[in-house]
Amino acid sequence: GENVEQHPSTLSVQEGDSAVIKCTYSDSASNYFPWYKQELGKGPQLIIDIRSNVGEKKDQRIAVTLNKTAKHFSLHITETQPEDSAVYFCAADVYNFNKFYFGSGTKLNVKP
Amino acid sequence: DVKVTQSSRYLVKRTGEKVFLECVQDMDHENMFWYRQDPGLGLRLIYFSYDVKMKEKGDIPEGYSVSREKKERFSLILESASTNQTSMYLCASTLAGELFFGEGSRLTVL
Repeated sequence: GENVEQHPSTLSVQEGDSAVIKCTYSDSASNYFPWYKQELGKGPQLIIDIRSNVGEKKDQRIAVTLNKTAKHFSLHITETQPEDSAVYFCAADVYNFNKFYFGSGTKLNVKP
Repeated sequence: DVKVTQSSRYLVKRTGEKVFLECVQDMDHENMFWYRQDPGLGLRLIYFSYDVKMKEKGDIPEGYSVSREKKERFSLILESASTNQTSMYLCASTLAGELFFGEGSRLTVL
């Protein structure tokens, strides 16, 4: 089955700096890569996703890049704010196959 | 607004007890999931269901079973709870590839 590795496990940045979280996957059949944000005491929530026919996708301060050849994808958050502090999970799946293999999570701390 | 409700936020049970975790979604989604979340291990799929009375094992089904008698309700059952099942349990449903999660049930087995 699919194996998703995520780094770093914790990340601390100053407010206004950028944050980058990286994931690798093993199964070349995976074609859908969502990112979830989990705030304290809540369930994870989708923040952005990318499919394998696209190399990059942006939504305001958040962007995701995908390198299919190297089987890695990354989450970029620019101009970080304290409300970005949360645990972030990457995942890989075959679109609509509903298996969703998750990375181990990154705890992001944005210091004011 | 999408809503997935897990009936118990916090439970404390004793070893050997039978435990029921209930999840209800109000979005008429066909697919429902149970994940286990542990620090450093991310989210691991226990079971999922793609239709009423249908279920499939995920990656860590041992010690668990599920029930889906109605489309909106998906229950996780620990037949005989053990201390290594102390964890956060997350229920989810999907639409167009997006997972909608409940707030989680934190189970402690003593």
